Amino acid sequence: SQTIHQWPATLVQPVGSPLSLECTVEGTSNPNLYWYRQAAGRGLQLLFYSVGIGQISSEVPQNLSASRPQDRQFILSSKKLLLSDSGFYLCAWNAAGANVLTFGAGSRLTVL
Amino acid sequence: RKEVEQDPGPFNVPEGATVAFNCTYSNSASQSFFWYRQDCRKEPKLLMSVYSSGNEDGRFTAQLNRASQYISLLIRDSKLSDSATYLCVVNSNAGNMLTFGGGTRLMVKP
Repeated sequence: SQTIHQWPATLVQPVGSPLSLECTVEGTSNPNLYWYRQAAGRGLQLLFYSVGIGQISSEVPQNLSASRPQDRQFILSSKKLLLSDSGFYLCAWNAAGANVLTFGAGSRLTVL
Repeated sequence: RKEVEQDPGPFNVPEGATVAFNCTYSNSASQSFFWYRQDCRKEPKLLMSVYSSGNEDGRFTAQLNRASQYISLLIRDSKLSDSATYLCVVNSNAGNMLTFGGGTRLMVKP
């Protein structure tokens, strides 16, 4: 069966520090991968999605970036965090051509 | 206008009550519709897909009205464990990308 792992689960970072969130999927090949952000009391905002290794599409311009160095690995990064980057970051996947998304457990980021 | 709109609630209902949520979407070309459930500080999880003819899963009934561009979720005999935020999800015009509504919060009281 397929599983999705995301880490770290919680982190507190100072403004201006770098960020790296990692997501891996097991039990499938060539998944579509997504990064969403959910600010407190808000809906999910799609940040990036990837249909294959090295293929990244950005939905919202900001100081975040994403990379897909391996088929089942998706990384969200920032060189310098802003206060507004605080939120709940969710990685998700689905199979090519499928609609239903499965989410990881999320990474809760607080920028101070 | 937002692509997918939901009443944020909260809906406060007693145990055993029937409660219904609506969700409207703006893209008439949307083809796929879902309800997800999100517990506090957890990830969203698929509750049910919504089919054109309407569908039922136990106490949950989902319906689609294409003419008016809305979908609904009906929960019968509410349980305390139904307390959560319910997210309406619609595929956007850009292929199979999904757009999430802001969610409707349900609180079931004893």
